[in-house]
Amino acid sequence: AQSVTQPDIHITVSEGASLELRCNYSYGATPYLFWYVQSPGQGLQLLLKYFSGDTLVQGIKGFEAEFKRSQSSFNLRKPSVHWSDAAEYFCAVLTDSWGKLQFGAGTQVVVTP
Amino acid sequence: DGGITQSPKYLFRKEGQNVTLSCEQNLNHDAMYWYRQDPGQGLRLIYYSQIVNDFQKGDIAEGYSVSREKKESFPLTVTSAQKNPTAFYLCASRPSMGNSYEQYFGPGTRLTVT
Repeated sequence: AQSVTQPDIHITVSEGASLELRCNYSYGATPYLFWYVQSPGQGLQLLLKYFSGDTLVQGIKGFEAEFKRSQSSFNLRKPSVHWSDAAEYFCAVLTDSWGKLQFGAGTQVVVTP
Repeated sequence: DGGITQSPKYLFRKEGQNVTLSCEQNLNHDAMYWYRQDPGQGLRLIYYSQIVNDFQKGDIAEGYSVSREKKESFPLTVTSAQKNPTAFYLCASRPSMGNSYEQYFGPGTRLTVT
């Protein structure tokens, strides 16, 4: 069965520092992968997605992610975080043609001054 | 503005009562989804619908029911059979055409049952 693992439950980062969030997936074929962000008490917003092609994907808000098939990973990065990046981040994989997504447990990001 | 609306934002019920959560979209999307979110567990799929008058169970459908009488609307009923209904509920939709598979989310409803 397809699965998504986000190893880090909680990350604290200083404003202006770089951020990397890890995501590992288990999927037989070429996966369709997503990163979503959720501000407290809000819905999810898509940051970026990977279907095929270039393995380095650019998203909104200055985020990027790199697909590495050999490591079954799709890590999210941002070179310099802003206080507004404090949120919960979810990695997800498409599990079937009906559009069902399997989500990871999420990583909570705290940004300190 | 196009989007997904969920109402109300906060909902309180007594144990043993059924409660219906609203989800409306004006994006002209065919597919709609209901998720439950609990701390530390990510999102879990309750029900989904690809087309009007058709829906399928997700991973945690027990104690929930849905209907899809209109393309724009996908209400979720949390029944008294749901053992632990207190959670944050998210509705999503996506167009069935094309291969985007991107889901668009509503703002969520926080349900508290006491």
